[in-house]
Amino acid sequence: AQKVTQAQTEISVVEKEDVTLDCVYETRDTTYYLFWYKQPPSGELVFLIRRNSFDEQNEISGRYSWNFQKSTSSFNFTITASQVVDSAVYFCALSEEDRGSTLGRLYFGRGTQLTVWP
Amino acid sequence: DTEVTQTPKHLVMGMTNKKSLKCEQHMGHRAMYWYKQKAKKPPELMFVYSYEKLSINESVPSRFSPECPNSSLLNLHLHALQPEDSALYLCASSHLGRPEKYFGPGTRLTVT
Repeated sequence: AQKVTQAQTEISVVEKEDVTLDCVYETRDTTYYLFWYKQPPSGELVFLIRRNSFDEQNEISGRYSWNFQKSTSSFNFTITASQVVDSAVYFCALSEEDRGSTLGRLYFGRGTQLTVWP
Repeated sequence: DTEVTQTPKHLVMGMTNKKSLKCEQHMGHRAMYWYKQKAKKPPELMFVYSYEKLSINESVPSRFSPECPNSSLLNLHLHALQPEDSALYLCASSHLGRPEKYFGPGTRLTVT
């Protein structure tokens, strides 16, 4: 069963529009971690944010904000006033508690390709 | 220094060649990882090293041979690859027991 679902395969917006990327996760653990990574065309996976399961506080960093809701198992990512440089593939990922055998394995969603047009 | 470096950035090799990918980190991380990423797909875990010992092998074909000569270096030796092995190969590292993984820029491999 897929642990992380990103239902949006591709999203296109025009510059300055706001855009929300959805992420739904599945886990039985009470302690887990959620991540968002950005992958521009160059290929590098850029870490954006980590959220612990016990901290549901939403976070804002500049134009980026994240909404973590345990009740709906969602960890959505919003870009405000999007820019062309935001064009990339965005991955949501889940890491469960490290039990030695799993070594904190990262479960990635399939990614959302965001294209921001000028 | 919070950087993971990978060399080469691009590699083109024939099916009979032997080549190696290199990864280096100086963050004191004792867990290191190789991921393979095909176009328009998420990264897939290949190998995990913990304290320089292979801990996880995700049933990767033997034409991929990992090596961890010391706590800062991770190699991936390639031999007799197939065209379908063409992909972006990402290295990552982390502290054991910590969820954050730091990724390198990747090596884009093309097998002809």
